[in-house]
Amino acid sequence: AQSVTQLDSQVPVFEEAPVELRCNYSSSVSVYLFWYVQYPNQGLQLLLKYLSGSTLVKGINGFEAEFNKSQTSFHLRKPSVHISDTAEYFCAVSVPNFGNEKLTFGTGTRLTIIP
Amino acid sequence: DADVTQTPRNRITKTGKRIMLECSQTKGHDRMYWYRQDPGLGLQLIYYSFDVKDINKGEISDGYSVSRQAQAKFSLSLESAIPNQTALYFCATSDPNIRSNEQFFGPGTRLTVL
Repeated sequence: AQSVTQLDSQVPVFEEAPVELRCNYSSSVSVYLFWYVQYPNQGLQLLLKYLSGSTLVKGINGFEAEFNKSQTSFHLRKPSVHISDTAEYFCAVSVPNFGNEKLTFGTGTRLTIIP
Repeated sequence: DADVTQTPRNRITKTGKRIMLECSQTKGHDRMYWYRQDPGLGLQLIYYSFDVKDINKGEISDGYSVSRQAQAKFSLSLESAIPNQTALYFCATSDPNIRSNEQFFGPGTRLTVL
């Protein structure tokens, strides 16, 4: 079965500084990878996803992530953060299974932007 | 209008009470899911349904039941609520024609069991 590890439960970053949120997965087969964002008092919203092809994936709000198969990682990055990026970020993985894929989520990283 | 709606948004109840959380969607998706979110634990799958006649248990189904009344509606019930069921509950949908199982989430229901 697949699993996801988000190494940092909380990440404080100064406004306009770069940020990297780390995600590592475990799977014996190829995977699909996702980053979701949860703003305060809201549901989860898809930031970006990797299905195949280019390992650098661009998402909404200036975020991007890079799939690294050898390191089984899918870290999320943004070159310059804003106050509005304050949220909780979840990495998730699913395994291709003929339409029966299920998502497995990491435990989340709370990103706090310091003015 | 929101594509996935949940009612109620907040609920406080007492131990032993029966509670129903409702989810409706206008996305036309066949697949629907119920998750609970606890601080530091991420999202855990409670039940999922791939169509109206299909119901499956997830990782943590004990103490919960579901009903898929129509393609657009999926309800979660706590037959006899207990305090450790205090959590944020999310409904989600997905389209089986889109590979990867990308899911679309409702705004959540915050449930407190006293």
